[in-house]
Amino acid sequence: DVVLTQTPSILSATIGQSVSISCRSSQSLLDSDGNTYLYWFLQRPGQSPQRLIYLVSNLGSGVPNRFSGSGSGTDFTLKISGVEAEDLGVYYCMQATHAPFTFGSGTKLEIK
Amino acid sequence: QVQLKESGPVLVQASETLSLTCTVSGFSLTNYGVIWVRQPPGKGLEWMGIIWRNGNTDYNSALKSRLSINRDTSKSQVFLKMNSLQTDDTAIYYCTSGWAYWGQGTLVTVSS
Repeated sequence: DVVLTQTPSILSATIGQSVSISCRSSQSLLDSDGNTYLYWFLQRPGQSPQRLIYLVSNLGSGVPNRFSGSGSGTDFTLKISGVEAEDLGVYYCMQATHAPFTFGSGTKLEIK
Repeated sequence: QVQLKESGPVLVQASETLSLTCTVSGFSLTNYGVIWVRQPPGKGLEWMGIIWRNGNTDYNSALKSRLSINRDTSKSQVFLKMNSLQTDDTAIYYCTSGWAYWGQGTLVTVSS
């Protein structure tokens, strides 16, 4: 199974600060159809996960453009350009290129 | 609009079988797959399995021997069955479609 390693596990940021989360895969997530099925989710306390980014860098519907995703192959990054209070929660990367699909272990974003 | 809702028992005895239903609206199960994800209290997300739009299924390697996912397209329902439950199967169980739409989740407690 593909292992996704997320770092850091905890991230503390002030309002307005820009932060990045890394997601490294144990194998390439480039699919034979040319797509890379790497997603990012935010789970706010007490809520269902929300899709932020799909296919590495595409912004989900209604997601603020301070969120951006990048990367290829095995290395991926989620960036928040100017953290806001509503961004607190746990961020997960997930791959859907290779079944069984797998999630990263999560990054908890705390607001200072 | 697209909606998903999980339903099933709140409490299950260890060694018994869990049966959950995901009722969807706003789309057809023959056009989109449905995924089950679970989250033990205070822990991360775990992908359980998927039923694709063509009815094929894929499962988490660790759960494959005791998990099955089926559907009734006429009722817009997807069913999860997992046998031989243990206390560490206690979790919030979510269904999602396309990763963009999620149910609110249902907490299942396995009692010994």
